[in-house]
Amino acid sequence: DQQVKQNSPSLSVQEGRISILNCDYTNSMFDYFLWYKKYPAEGPTFLISISSIKDKNEDGRFTVFLNKSAKHLSLHIVPSQPGDSAVYFCAAKGRGGTSYGKLTFGQGTILTVHP
Amino acid sequence: NAGVMQNPRHLVRRRGQEARLRCSPMKGHSHVYWYRQLPEEGLKFMVYLQKENIIDESGMPKERFSAEFPKEGPSILRIQQVVRGDSAAYFCASSQGAGNTEAFFGQGTRLTVV
Repeated sequence: DQQVKQNSPSLSVQEGRISILNCDYTNSMFDYFLWYKKYPAEGPTFLISISSIKDKNEDGRFTVFLNKSAKHLSLHIVPSQPGDSAVYFCAAKGRGGTSYGKLTFGQGTILTVHP
Repeated sequence: NAGVMQNPRHLVRRRGQEARLRCSPMKGHSHVYWYRQLPEEGLKFMVYLQKENIIDESGMPKERFSAEFPKEGPSILRIQQVVRGDSAAYFCASSQGAGNTEAFFGQGTRLTVV
């Protein structure tokens, strides 16, 4: 049962343009959402998060949008840079039940930014 | 403020041996999580611990795997009688609490079973 889904295995973007990574979830107990970036042979690096009481959070080039009714969130990176090329994971955690405390991850999206 | 420290970074074990993976959380963090990433797959939750307590072990295989987070010292993920299918990257993360707080990851331990 995949509770967090990233349906695009890969995304290719030109340098300077916007990258949009998408994530869907099914568990209505999720109330906190995070994005991580991962390079090969390294641990995931935290990028940005959003609470379910908000619909947008911005940090520099990174913005996360949350649509609770659609159970959908997205990460926008603008402008995209070659150094952003990595695997991006969406994660969610909840306030109770089986979602309490722990992060549930999507499958990841490989972002490639071409110079 | 050091980040999450995992050791060893690489571990090679023969089938049937034991593997011990260590994780020291960030300073001030009392919640530890272990995840496994198999080749070509995402991060799968294994276990969530607080000091001296296992909060959620729903992702742990029923046999051969155990985890602890003692009052003093690092968290340990122990795999007994390793098999080739245990070969994976094992990541530890820590956070200040279970609520709306970020979890920060270590660099991982890459276990290879030969």
